[in-house]
Amino acid sequence: EAGVAQSPRYKIIEKRQSVAFWCNPISGHATLYWYQQILGQGPKLLIQFQNNGVVDDSQLPKDRFSAERLKGVDSTLKIQPAKLEDSAVYLCASSHPIGEAFFGQGTRLTVV
Amino acid sequence: SQQGEEDPQALSIQEGENATMNCSYKTSINNLQWYRQNSGRGLVHLILIRSNEREKHSGRLRVTLDTSKKSSSLLITASRAADTASYFCATAGAGSYQLTFGKGTKLSVIP
Repeated sequence: EAGVAQSPRYKIIEKRQSVAFWCNPISGHATLYWYQQILGQGPKLLIQFQNNGVVDDSQLPKDRFSAERLKGVDSTLKIQPAKLEDSAVYLCASSHPIGEAFFGQGTRLTVV
Repeated sequence: SQQGEEDPQALSIQEGENATMNCSYKTSINNLQWYRQNSGRGLVHLILIRSNEREKHSGRLRVTLDTSKKSSSLLITASRAADTASYFCATAGAGSYQLTFGKGTKLSVIP
């Protein structure tokens, strides 16, 4: 079965610019997660979708971050405007509800 | 916030030795999962243990769960250099279904 696809793999932007990440989960997985992982730390949950509805976005900085999951399949995560502290790897994962999560390779964002 | 807390933060052992990592958490869970992450790569699921289970095995991996102490341990037996990676525990909250990760244990296996 195909894994979780993410793009781009790498992105370098200047502060105050905007950026978008894309995720295609495993077919049939209702749950989709976006995590932010800063170097040397564990993944921090930004937002969790169940189909196309948001289950939890309590740690999403909503003044600059937004995410959507159209038709309950693909998802995009946007940052506008970016700050230096947003430099991190952004991981997308999908799963059946409460099941094991399958992760994509992530997008490494560098804000300069 | 990150619920799981792994201990130790870093562990260095010789090839062939066993490695034990611990995870503590704070709230009720539906299940607890362990993941591995090689440097610069995505996370790979290792094993899932449900809240009503006490022990689970998968190859050289053994996971225990003590819900009364809100803790879990991951044992890797007969370690290999290829086991060098960061290991994370993640909890699926009871009722919330959030999957929340700890800070991880960095394991180095010396050949």
